[in-house]
Amino acid sequence: QKEVEQDPGPLSVPEGAIVSLNCTYSNSAFQYFMWYRQYSRKGPELLMYTYSSGNKEDGRFTAQVDKSSKYISLFIRDSQPSDSATYLCAMSASLKAAGNKLTFGGGTRVLVKP
Amino acid sequence: DGGITQSPKYLFRKEGQNVTLSCEQNLNHDAMYWYRQDPGQGLRLIYYSQIVNDFQKGDIAEGYSVSREKKESFPLTVTSAQKNPTAFYLCASSIFHRGNTEAFFGQGTRLTVV
Repeated sequence: QKEVEQDPGPLSVPEGAIVSLNCTYSNSAFQYFMWYRQYSRKGPELLMYTYSSGNKEDGRFTAQVDKSSKYISLFIRDSQPSDSATYLCAMSASLKAAGNKLTFGGGTRVLVKP
Repeated sequence: DGGITQSPKYLFRKEGQNVTLSCEQNLNHDAMYWYRQDPGQGLRLIYYSQIVNDFQKGDIAEGYSVSREKKESFPLTVTSAQKNPTAFYLCASSIFHRGNTEAFFGQGTRLTVV
């Protein structure tokens, strides 16, 4: 079983709809949670991060963490065709420990249709 | 412009041949990483380095080697011992900032065995 599970999609939505993405994980030591966006043939870029449980909002993006369920979510409101990309969740147990290693999910491909 | 530069963008390797992927950063980050990305499997950590002249194996280090002689540079060599090297390789560097480790990625190198 992978440490971080993420549905590969593709997830196809009409423009303006809410995109809902999620990841589940098995390592209870994870405390830092991130979402990256990756366009085709490009490197990932950081979208949002949260620490421990709770919600965080940034513009059209909302990240949620439920540590009790080992479940994180990313919501994209008023989706645009430019949001079409692969979204990767990433997690870390400790940011200051050796390696600051991030464990990634497999990514969900999202397609927003005009 | 500050950032991470990977070269070449595309690389073809013959069976039994070693190849080296370049990664250079001018962000003054201490930590650097190499990831491998295969379809549906997300990013898997190959090697990482916290400081110059020091590096550690990641989850899939077999068949790869690295060096960190300069802070700015972290080249990855894919050796003939790597049996399935065709993949998208991503280099990243990170800084601890605003309570989070933010990893910045290069644009990747696509390696194909011919």
